[in-house]
Amino acid sequence: SQELEQSPQSLIVQEGKNLTINCTSSKTLYGLYWYKQKYGEGLIFLMMLQKGGEEKSHEKITAKLDEKKQQSSLHITASQPSHAGIYLCGAVPPDMRFGAGTRLTVKP
Amino acid sequence: EAGVAQSPRYKIIEKRQSVAFWCNPISGHATLYWYQQILGQGPKLLIQFQNNGVVDDSQLPKDRFSAERLKGVDSTLKIQPAKLEDSAVYLCASSPAGEAYGYTFGSGTRLTVV
Repeated sequence: SQELEQSPQSLIVQEGKNLTINCTSSKTLYGLYWYKQKYGEGLIFLMMLQKGGEEKSHEKITAKLDEKKQQSSLHITASQPSHAGIYLCGAVPPDMRFGAGTRLTVKP
Repeated sequence: EAGVAQSPRYKIIEKRQSVAFWCNPISGHATLYWYQQILGQGPKLLIQFQNNGVVDDSQLPKDRFSAERLKGVDSTLKIQPAKLEDSAVYLCASSPAGEAYGYTFGSGTRLTVV
C-alpha cells in the first residue's frame, strides 16, 4: 500500500517567516492531497494535485507536485498564527492514505 | 451543503466497556469511510463502504470493532470491549462514488478509554 513520509514532524516558526513541509511517497503518485487539522478535530481540505509539475495556491499556501521524485511540498509564505495546526498529506488510490502529519506552531 | 455529521464529539469510557459512534455522510455520497487517528499519527483507514456494502475492512480489528451502514446512508462504528489503546479520534468521511477528490471529513469523535 501507499506509504507517505512527511518532514519535518514538527515545526516552530516566528510569525512572518516562510516555511516548507515535504511529503514523499514510496509509490507512484496519482493524486496528492493536502489537509489541515486543528488539534482533535476533523480535516479541512486545502489542495489536490494530480499532474507532475502542478502547482496550486490558496491564499498564502502553495503546493507543488514532483512526479519524478514522488514528492510534494507545501510552502507557506509570511506565516500567521492562523496557520498553526497539523498538516497532512494524503494519496490515492485506491483510497485515501495519510502521512503522519507535520505539527506547525507559529509564534506571535 | 451540509457536511459530514458525527456524534458524539467526545466520549470517555472505562476499558472493557462498549461504545458506538454515529456518522451521517453528505447526501448522495455513496462511499463512506471510518478512520482511526491516534495522537501524533496520521488517520488510518478502518473500513470503507460503497453504499451498504463493505469494500475494504482489512485494517479493522474484527475481534472488537464492527461497523454497519444500513440502507446505504448513516453508519455506526462499535467497539466492544474497548481497550486503552483504542483511545483516538475516530473520523468519518464520505465521497461521491469513484471520486477521490470529493472526500469530506466530519469533525470526529474523540474517544478516551481509562
